[in-house]
Amino acid sequence: DAGVIQSPRHEVTEMGQEVTLRCKPISGHNSLFWYRQTMMRGLELLIYFNNNVPIDDSGMPEDRFSAKMPNASFSTLKIQPSEPRDSAVYFCASSLASGGATDTQYFGPGTRLTVL
Amino acid sequence: QKEVEQDPGPLSVPEGAIVSLNCTYSNSAFQYFMWYRQYSRKGPELLMYTYSSGNKEDGRFTAQVDKSSKYISLFIRDSQPSDSATYLCAMKRGTRGTLTFGKGTMLLVSP
Repeated sequence: DAGVIQSPRHEVTEMGQEVTLRCKPISGHNSLFWYRQTMMRGLELLIYFNNNVPIDDSGMPEDRFSAKMPNASFSTLKIQPSEPRDSAVYFCASSLASGGATDTQYFGPGTRLTVL
Repeated sequence: QKEVEQDPGPLSVPEGAIVSLNCTYSNSAFQYFMWYRQYSRKGPELLMYTYSSGNKEDGRFTAQVDKSSKYISLFIRDSQPSDSATYLCAMKRGTRGTLTFGKGTMLLVSP
């Protein structure tokens, strides 16, 4: 399996522009997570989906952020309008959600976002 | 107070040293404890997990949980330059719970 695939790997945009990050989870996984990582705050959960349904979006910073999962193999995280403080590495992760003790989350390589 | 505290380092050691990485947490509801390793410009990958208190060993790595002290540790024996990475602790309340991560400790092992 190719693992979790994220695109783009790097994104540089100007303040006020719309940014769309994309994620393809591991085939067969039914939980998908979006995280944001910064030096100051570490790795923070933004939102997670189970069977394509958003379960917990309490980590989404504000209305400028939105996430969708139209099917089991694709998810997007959109920021509109973007601000310099949104600059971070955004990770997507997926898991089998089997209910087992580990329910291991597999992370993608991340998208490094810079908002000027 | 953050739910999970972790010293950011960096921690610099010579090759072959024993490394101790630690996290403290405040929420006694956490039951599952993990250690993730993150190489530079890569995503985190699961290294080890433990349930409740006790030790778990996997090769050169030992994970230890002391729930009474709300303290978890990861020990690396015979450290190698390839162990140079950021190590993040993570924990969750139940089998289906979401993970809460520490900020990570950067480890540098010099040859």
